[in-house]
Amino acid sequence: AQSVTQPDIHITVSEGASLELRCNYSYGATPYLFWYVQSPGQGLQLLLKYFSGDTLVQGIKGFEAEFKRSQSSFNLRKPSVHWSDAAEYFCAVGASYNTDKLIFGTGTRLQVFP
Amino acid sequence: DTAVSQTPKYLVTQMGNDKSIKCEQNLGHDTMYWYKQDSKKFLKIMFSYNNKELIINETVPNRFSPKSPDKAHLNLHINSLELGDSAVYFCASSQAGGVVNEKLFFGSGTQLSVL
Repeated sequence: AQSVTQPDIHITVSEGASLELRCNYSYGATPYLFWYVQSPGQGLQLLLKYFSGDTLVQGIKGFEAEFKRSQSSFNLRKPSVHWSDAAEYFCAVGASYNTDKLIFGTGTRLQVFP
Repeated sequence: DTAVSQTPKYLVTQMGNDKSIKCEQNLGHDTMYWYKQDSKKFLKIMFSYNNKELIINETVPNRFSPKSPDKAHLNLHINSLELGDSAVYFCASSQAGGVVNEKLFFGSGTQLSVL
């Protein structure tokens, strides 16, 4: 069965610093991978997704993620964090047997200090 | 202008009660979903409907019954509420089925607290 692990529950960075949020997945074939962001009191918003092709994916708000098959990872990065990036970030993988279903990780909470 | 709206935002109720959460999307999407996010932030799909037809029904107690009067609405009825039902419930929609191809649009959630 597919699964997603986000090893970091909580990360704190200074504004302007670079950011990397880790995501590891478990799936036998090429996965469909997503990053969603949840701002306080809001629903989730799609940042970016990977289906195939170029392993470096660009998303909204200056985020990017790199698919590394050898490491079963899909880490999210941003070169310079803004205070408005403080939120909960969720990695997700598309299920193999039913493409209507996303399996989410438990999230990483990002705090940004001025 | 809210794309996916759900009401109420907060719901506090006693064990054993029956309650409903409403969801509406004005995006013209064909597929709607209910997700449950527990206290540990774990987000899991409960149901999906495509054009009023049930597509996904995960292992959810039959106390939970979704109802889709039309493709713009997917309401969630919960009977005989239990403490373990306390969570944040998110409604979502997508243009068509197949989230691996379609972007999900989420509502802002309903925080349910069962006392």
